Amino acid sequence: DVKVTQSSRYLVKRTGEKVFLECVQDMDHENMFWYRQDPGLGLRLIYFSYDVKMKEKGDIPEGYSVSREKKERFSLILESASTNQTSMYLCASSFLQGAFYEQYFGPGTRLTVT
Amino acid sequence: GDSVTQMEGPVTLSEEAFLTINCTYTATGYPSLFWYVQYPGEGLQLLLKATKADDKGSNKGFEATYRKETTSFHLEKGSVQVSDSAVYFCALSDRASKIIFGSGTRLSIRP
Repeated sequence: DVKVTQSSRYLVKRTGEKVFLECVQDMDHENMFWYRQDPGLGLRLIYFSYDVKMKEKGDIPEGYSVSREKKERFSLILESASTNQTSMYLCASSFLQGAFYEQYFGPGTRLTVT
Repeated sequence: GDSVTQMEGPVTLSEEAFLTINCTYTATGYPSLFWYVQYPGEGLQLLLKATKADDKGSNKGFEATYRKETTSFHLEKGSVQVSDSAVYFCALSDRASKIIFGSGTRLSIRP
């Protein structure tokens, strides 16, 4: 079974802190993604990566950065956390399954910024 | 750009009721369509998929048919169970590996 793990299920940080969210996948997938999930807004893509050291902005990259130094690990960084970044953060990885890419998700990290 | 619109929730049904969750999409190409499900406390998992027009995806008693003429991919189940309580996301993928998700529909089933 594909496994995508995230470093924390719950996290509480203060405004202005630098926050690191870690994601690891164990299936050698090329693609990895970070989303945030907010009620009524669904999932919004923050950043994604097609390969090691490669990253592309998603729909809402402002206030975030990412790092992918190894294929299995994709980190999301909040340079200076703000209260409007309180959300559920979901990591995913994907591979080509015939005609489409199937995404596998981690359990999520619920981040609260106070 | 590409987008997905699904019916607002929450949806509350009694056990064994018939379920429909509506989903329509806008895309310039020929996307693959998906339904993902998120059970409480978990990440999303793929429920079913359809990669071309008139395909029917099915899994765990759920079905959805890719209707190009109406740009729709409605999710249906003939008899829901309490264990089906979850949030359901309609999604599309038009290129590469990016997926665009709808806003999600929360489903609650009463015993």
